[in-house]
Amino acid sequence: EVVMTQSPATLSVSPGERATLSCRASQSVSISLAWYQQKPGQAPRLLIFGASTRATGIPARFSGSGSGTEFTLTISSLQSEDFAVYYCQQYNNWPLTFGGGTKIEIK
Amino acid sequence: QVQLVESGGGVVQPGGSLRLSCAASGFTFSNYGMHWVRQAPGKGLERVAFIRYDGSNTYYADSVKGRFTISRDNSKNTLYLQMNSLRGEDTAVYYCVRSDTLHYFDYWGQGTQVTVSS
Repeated sequence: EVVMTQSPATLSVSPGERATLSCRASQSVSISLAWYQQKPGQAPRLLIFGASTRATGIPARFSGSGSGTEFTLTISSLQSEDFAVYYCQQYNNWPLTFGGGTKIEIK
Repeated sequence: QVQLVESGGGVVQPGGSLRLSCAASGFTFSNYGMHWVRQAPGKGLERVAFIRYDGSNTYYADSVKGRFTISRDNSKNTLYLQMNSLRGEDTAVYYCVRSDTLHYFDYWGQGTQVTVSS
């Protein structure tokens, strides 16, 4: 099983600042990596797939990068609606696995 | 637009059974693989089960293998999860999720709460 490790667990950021989230895979997943956003009481929402392709309707301030075992989600200028938990997921190998999540909180 | 609406959650005693349903609309249901993903209180996401677009193949997490059964009725645009021998650790919100052919999760239902407690 591919273990996905996200860091940090919690990120304190002020509105308007840049946020950088990391996701590491225990073995190469190529670019088969997706990012999801989950707000309290809501279902997750797909942000990024293929490591760097934004899903439909996702603002340009969200960007993904990386390949192999190291991936990054960057939010260029945090808006109030971006404070949430973010999960990465690999889909290169079965079983499909998620990271443990990074919570972005208001500083 | 794509809609996935789960139902069937509730409170059940340990050892009991529950059947979840997911009504799909806004897309050609029979063209897509479908998953159930769950989230225990305050925890992360765990993929529970998958079924191919035509129902010909299924896949289960080790934690539910032999107890849960995923199925679908493409004529009714509905996904199911039969959960037997329920345990406390099955307590979670269960999401019905559509997956792209590459198996990332592009649309999620709102979730249904399952609580296993005596």
